[in-house]
Amino acid sequence: GEDVEQSLFLSVREGDSSVINCTYTDSSSTYLYWYKQEPGAGLQLLTYIFSNMDMKQDQRLTVLLNKKDKHLSLRIADTQTGDSAIYFCAEKSNDYKLSFGAGTTVTVRA
Amino acid sequence: NAGVTQTPKFQVLKTGQSMTLQCAQDMNHNSMYWYRQDPGMGLRLIYYSASEGTTDKGEVPNGYNVSRLNKREFSLRLESAAPSQTSVYFCASSEFPGTYEQYFGPGTRLTVT
Repeated sequence: GEDVEQSLFLSVREGDSSVINCTYTDSSSTYLYWYKQEPGAGLQLLTYIFSNMDMKQDQRLTVLLNKKDKHLSLRIADTQTGDSAIYFCAEKSNDYKLSFGAGTTVTVRA
Repeated sequence: NAGVTQTPKFQVLKTGQSMTLQCAQDMNHNSMYWYRQDPGMGLRLIYYSASEGTTDKGEVPNGYNVSRLNKREFSLRLESAAPSQTSVYFCASSEFPGTYEQYFGPGTRLTVT
């Protein structure tokens, strides 16, 4: 079955870059995602990358995909206090199911 | 355009009680999903409905039933609640099963004592 792993916590200083890492096991994944969850809210899609790409940039967000190592990362440039949240990595390997990691809690300190 | 709405936001049940969690979407999406979120475990799929009139089991369906009432609404029922069902429940929808994005509701926090 699918298994998505990510570190549980990240503390970063305001203005620095944050890098959140994720590994997955299903080589047939078609899409890989980063979702953001703010306190008391549902998940919001931040960005996604198709499996035939190795990089995607969207304003302050950069996603890197190493398909050989099954490694996905999310870099947030110039991290702000509003970026404090839980970030979930997810993979989509069939039409119905997203497999989620446990989430990385990002804390931005002044 | 409210997106995905869920009721209630919070609920406390005693072991053995039953309840139904409601979910509705106003985006004319065909597919809807129920997930549970537990600390340190990410989200796990309970049931999904690829289209109106169909429902299928996900990873963790035991102890739950679902009804796709119409295209807009997808409810999750706990017939006899157990403490192991204490969790945060999220409903999501997508345009089609294969569409890349799922839109999530705000969640229902359920405690079973």
